[in-house]
Amino acid sequence: EAGVAQSPRYKIIEKRQSVAFWCNPISGHATLYWYQQILGQGPKLLIQFQNNGVVDDSQLPKDRFSAERLKGVDSTLKIQPAKLEDSAVYLCASSLVYAGGLNEQFFGPGTRLTVL
Amino acid sequence: GENVEQHPSTLSVQEGDSAVIKCTYSDSASNYFPWYKQELGKRPQLIIDIRSNVGEKKDQRIAVTLNKTAKHFSLHITETQPEDSAVYFCAASSAGGTSYGKLTFGQGTILTVHP
Repeated sequence: EAGVAQSPRYKIIEKRQSVAFWCNPISGHATLYWYQQILGQGPKLLIQFQNNGVVDDSQLPKDRFSAERLKGVDSTLKIQPAKLEDSAVYLCASSLVYAGGLNEQFFGPGTRLTVL
Repeated sequence: GENVEQHPSTLSVQEGDSAVIKCTYSDSASNYFPWYKQELGKRPQLIIDIRSNVGEKKDQRIAVTLNKTAKHFSLHITETQPEDSAVYFCAASSAGGTSYGKLTFGQGTILTVHP
């Protein structure tokens, strides 16, 4: 079974530039998550999709971050404009179904973003 | 919302010793508690999880215990090996309200096993 795919693996940009990340979840996984992992910290959920609908984006900085999951499969996360504090690893994860919250999440390799 | 505290932040042991990492959570509705291992530059990988209807679960050298009354859970690694060296994260998930199974992670524990 193929795992969660993400691209690019690394990205370096100047502050105020824009950047986009792509995620392809495990086939058949209805739930998709984007996490931000700052160096030395645990992952923090940014947004959660159930199929192509958003179920939790309470910690997404909506003035600069946006995400979409068209057709309920692939997803993109965009930052516009980027700030220095956005430097982090952006992890995508997916799970099979939401079943009363008891969901094993599978993580992708992440995209390491450096904002200069 | 849920808050997960994890201790210690770093743990150094000799090969063959046991290692224990502890986490506390705040939301009494949380009912799923996974542990992830993250090696340097790699993705987090699930190593063991426990549901709230179980007090203990074991998988070879790894065990997890859950005390719902005290709202804490612990990871136990016995007979540690150098390849156990990594960052370990605990997490908690709640099925109730609007949480939709959202995972809240602890801050992580850097485990170093010395040969």
